Amino acid sequence: AQSVTQPDIHITVSEGASLELRCNYSYGATPYLFWYVQSPGQGLQLLLKYFSGDTLVQGIKGFEAEFKRSQSSFNLRKPSVHWSDAAEYFCAVGDGGYNKLIFGAGTRLAVHP
Amino acid sequence: DSGVTQTPKHLITATGQRVTLRCSPRSGDLSVYWYQQSLDQGLQFLIQYYNGEERAKGNILERFSAQQFPDLHSELNLSSLELGDSALYFCASSVGDRESTEAFFGQGTRLTVV
Repeated sequence: AQSVTQPDIHITVSEGASLELRCNYSYGATPYLFWYVQSPGQGLQLLLKYFSGDTLVQGIKGFEAEFKRSQSSFNLRKPSVHWSDAAEYFCAVGDGGYNKLIFGAGTRLAVHP
Repeated sequence: DSGVTQTPKHLITATGQRVTLRCSPRSGDLSVYWYQQSLDQGLQFLIQYYNGEERAKGNILERFSAQQFPDLHSELNLSSLELGDSALYFCASSVGDRESTEAFFGQGTRLTVV
């Protein structure tokens, strides 16, 4: 069955430090992959998505992610974290061709000043 | 603001009751999705409608039902509520019905069953 694993439940980084959030997926075909961010009390906002082509995708707010088929991974990165990046981040895979998303458990990011 | 409107924002009700959650999609979007976010289950896909027709079904309980109306708004009906139904319910909408179209999420309805 399709699944998404985010190994890190909580991550704390210092402001200005680099960030990498891990995501591994299990999917039989070519996956459609997404990263969403959820700020407290807010809905989910799409950061970036991968459908095909260049395996390094750029998103909003300075985020990027790299699709690695051999590792079944789609890790999210940001070179320099800002305090406003503190939120919960969800990796998701599109399932069944109908925009039905399977989400990982999420990674809560805390940013220290 | 994603353009997806969910009402009410908060709902507190008793066990055994029935509630209706409402979602207005972004202008022009034909697909509506419902997701449940709970502490123990995480974010789970419930159901999708496209232009009034059910397109995909996830882990939706038989006590739950949804529909999409001709004006494209959608309602999620939850009945015989149990404590475990307490969760944040999200609606999302997209232009099409495939992964290639981005889904925009509303801010959710927080349901508390007491």
